[in-house]
Amino acid sequence: GAGVSQTPSNKVTEKGKYVELRCDPISGHTALYWYRQSLGQGPEFLIYFQGTGAADDSGLPNDRFFAVRPEGSVSTLKIQRTERGDSAVYLCASSLGGRIWTEAFFGQGTRLTVV
Amino acid sequence: SQKIEQNSEALNIQEGKTATLTCNYTNYSPAYLQWYRQDPGRGPVFLLLIRENEKEKRKERLKVTFDTTLKQSLFHITASQPADSATYLCALAAGGSGNTGKLIFGQGTTLQVKP
Repeated sequence: GAGVSQTPSNKVTEKGKYVELRCDPISGHTALYWYRQSLGQGPEFLIYFQGTGAADDSGLPNDRFFAVRPEGSVSTLKIQRTERGDSAVYLCASSLGGRIWTEAFFGQGTRLTVV
Repeated sequence: SQKIEQNSEALNIQEGKTATLTCNYTNYSPAYLQWYRQDPGRGPVFLLLIRENEKEKRKERLKVTFDTTLKQSLFHITASQPADSATYLCALAAGGSGNTGKLIFGQGTTLQVKP
């Protein structure tokens, strides 16, 4: 596709369940980012991949959160034992990557609601 | 701690006027600062980047200034139109110069342009 695609667009889950959120970046983009956005707030950094490896995972709030990008393209954000406080919009972005900054393109987000 | 602040109150202006949004930061020495637009239910869209050695940058009706002494950026939209109504986010690269995926966002300012 032409842009960053995130699925599902909405996810409602019960407290304690496991969820996976998927991100399909723009083809050829080596850098991929996950952010989380609560209502009325700006996006909050979670993790950044350069290729297959996590270059910076300092934003992951705790060990219930984990993300993978096994082939350097699609990424999955995994949340175990979900809590109501995990409810937010999870945004994925991708960019060309490399040493020089290039524009990041965001997906439309996955709205996660934990009930 | 590092902090970015934008006017939390919505900005309401009349069509044709210039909108000015403010972004202040503390405990940072960013190499560059970015501005994004976000519409409801959508991911942020990149608008402009300004580097620490640039005082001002323009793109069509948009103008950004960056004062590293005041630790402030101003974002101007001239000849505003109702279609400019959105939330505008400023963001700093947390890791200094170079390509870092870790952007720190402000909470955003909502602009409403009335016809």
